[in-house]
Amino acid sequence: EAGVTQSPRYAVLQEGQAVSFWCDPISGHDTLYWYQQPRDQGPQLLVYFRDEAVIDNSQLPSDRFSAVRPKGTNSTLKIQSAKQGDTATYLCASSWGRADTEVFFGKGTRLTVV
Amino acid sequence: GEQVEQLPSILRVQEGSSASINCTYENSASNYFPWYKQEPGENPKLIIDIRSNMERKQTQGLIVLLDKKAKRFSLHITDTQPGDSAMYFCAAFYQGGRALIFGTGTTVSVSP
Repeated sequence: EAGVTQSPRYAVLQEGQAVSFWCDPISGHDTLYWYQQPRDQGPQLLVYFRDEAVIDNSQLPSDRFSAVRPKGTNSTLKIQSAKQGDTATYLCASSWGRADTEVFFGKGTRLTVV
Repeated sequence: GEQVEQLPSILRVQEGSSASINCTYENSASNYFPWYKQEPGENPKLIIDIRSNMERKQTQGLIVLLDKKAKRFSLHITDTQPGDSAMYFCAAFYQGGRALIFGTGTTVSVSP
């Protein structure tokens, strides 16, 4: 069974540039999460979807970050005008139903903003 | 409150000894507590979990304890091996919550 797939694996940007991250969850998983993981810290939830609907985006910096999951399958997280403080690994995860079932993570996109 | 505190941040142990990581949570409605292991450059992987209807769970050299009164749960790695060296994260979930809330992580280093 294929796991959660993310691309790209790495990205290096200058401040002010934009970047998009792509995620393909495990087939059949209705819930998709985006987490931000700064170096040597725990994952911090940015947004999550059930099917195509945003359930919680309260931790997403809305002025520069956006996330969509238009068909309830793949998802894209976009950062407009990146800042050095955005340097982190961005993890996509998926689960069937709520997060009290096993949540499967992708390998992440490591973003460096210089 | 939806914070999960995790200690210690770094844990160095000798091969064959045990390693213990402690987490505390704020929301008394939390009912699911997974532990994830993350190796460098890899995705976090679930290694063991416990639900609020249990106080102890054990699998393959791992023991998880849950004290609901103290809002505390812990992971104990028995007979550590070099392959146990990794970052470990605890997490908590409660019905109606914002998905899994993770602790800050513990880097475990097992030396021969």
